[in-house]
Amino acid sequence: AQSVSQHNHHVILSEAASLELGCNYSYGGTVNLFWYVQYPGQHLQLLLKYFSGDPLVKGIKGFEAEFIKSKFSFNLRKPSVQWSDTAEYFCAVNAPGGSYIPTFGRGTSLIVHP
Amino acid sequence: NAGVTQTPKFQVLKTGQSMTLQCAQDMNHNSMYWYRQDPGMGLRLIYYSASEGTTDKGEVPNGYNVSRLNKREFSLRLESAAPSQTSVYFCASSETGGHRTDTQYFGPGTRLTVL
Repeated sequence: AQSVSQHNHHVILSEAASLELGCNYSYGGTVNLFWYVQYPGQHLQLLLKYFSGDPLVKGIKGFEAEFIKSKFSFNLRKPSVQWSDTAEYFCAVNAPGGSYIPTFGRGTSLIVHP
Repeated sequence: NAGVTQTPKFQVLKTGQSMTLQCAQDMNHNSMYWYRQDPGMGLRLIYYSASEGTTDKGEVPNGYNVSRLNKREFSLRLESAAPSQTSVYFCASSETGGHRTDTQYFGPGTRLTVL
């Protein structure tokens, strides 16, 4: 069965700091990768996704993620965070081993201090 | 276009009580899902419905039942609530389900406390 690991459970940064959140998955075949974000008190929404092509994917609000197949990773990055980026971030994987039902990581809580 | 809606937003139950969480989507999506979100556990799939008329168990189905009433609506029922079911419940939908490019759209959640 596929699994998703998010190594950073809690991250605290100051505004303007750079961000990188780790995501690793276990499935060895073709995968589709997602980052979802949940702002305080709100529902989850899609931040960005990778299906194929350029492994560097750009999403909303200045976020990007890089798919590195050899490392089974899909890390999320942002060069300069803002207070409004405070949220919980979830990595998810669709893979044929899971009938393409997404498997979610446990989430990373990001707090950005102004 | 409301997307995915859920009712109620908050609910407190006593152990042994039953209740139904309602979910509806207006995006003409084929697939719908119920997740629970617990601190440090991320999102865990309870049940899903790949298409109208079908339902399947997810990772944590025990203690729950579902009904796909029609294409728009997918309800989650707790027959005899237990404190372990205290959680935030999210409904989601996707266009096709079971397809590699499927993206999920989430509702606002229901915060359930079982005393």
